[in-house]
Amino acid sequence: EAGVTQFPSHSVIEKGQTVTLRCDPISGHDNLYWYRRVMGKEIKFLLHFVKESKQDESGMPNNRFLAERTGGTYSTLKVQPAELEDSGVYFCASSQGGIFWGANVLTFGAGSRLTVL
Amino acid sequence: AQSVTQLGSHVSVSEGALVLLRCNYSSSVPPYLFWYVQYPNQGLQLLLKYTTGATLVKGINGFEAEFKKSETSFHLTKPSAHMSDAAEYFCAVSNQGGKLIFGQGTELSVKP
Repeated sequence: EAGVTQFPSHSVIEKGQTVTLRCDPISGHDNLYWYRRVMGKEIKFLLHFVKESKQDESGMPNNRFLAERTGGTYSTLKVQPAELEDSGVYFCASSQGGIFWGANVLTFGAGSRLTVL
Repeated sequence: AQSVTQLGSHVSVSEGALVLLRCNYSSSVPPYLFWYVQYPNQGLQLLLKYTTGATLVKGINGFEAEFKKSETSFHLTKPSAHMSDAAEYFCAVSNQGGKLIFGQGTELSVKP
């Protein structure tokens, strides 16, 4: 089966510009997660979709970040306007549905590296 | 609140030597624990996980980890390192919603 696909793999933008990252999860996976790793820091949770609904968005840094999941399939993460501290690697992951989400194995994409100059 | 601490941001071993990557967690509920590995330019890949049952968990590529509740630890081991094991390793704890809390990561280098 195809894995989790993310693009672009690398994006370089100027401060104040807008960037949209896209994630295509594994087909049939209800759960979709976004994570971010800022250089030198740990990977941090941003938000969790169950199908098209936001289950948990407690990790979103501020209102410059907007995530959507169209029809419960692919997801986009838009940063507008981008700031220097938004630089990092953004990972998307997906997992199957079911009751015991905590025990589900997340399949990660290769990440989208964002550089804000 | 849950948290994970990985001791040592960089670990270097010789090929054929024991690999030991340390992970301690904090959780107010029975934890689900994971080890992921990231090879260069790739996504995170699951090595192994502990949910319930046997506390010694075997994973891929000869790795294993033991859940020790009394020590709140979930250390990763491999008896004999191979050059292909060079990568970054992440320990993580999950809450009931599937949200993973990661440690800082440990970069493993393997010397010939």
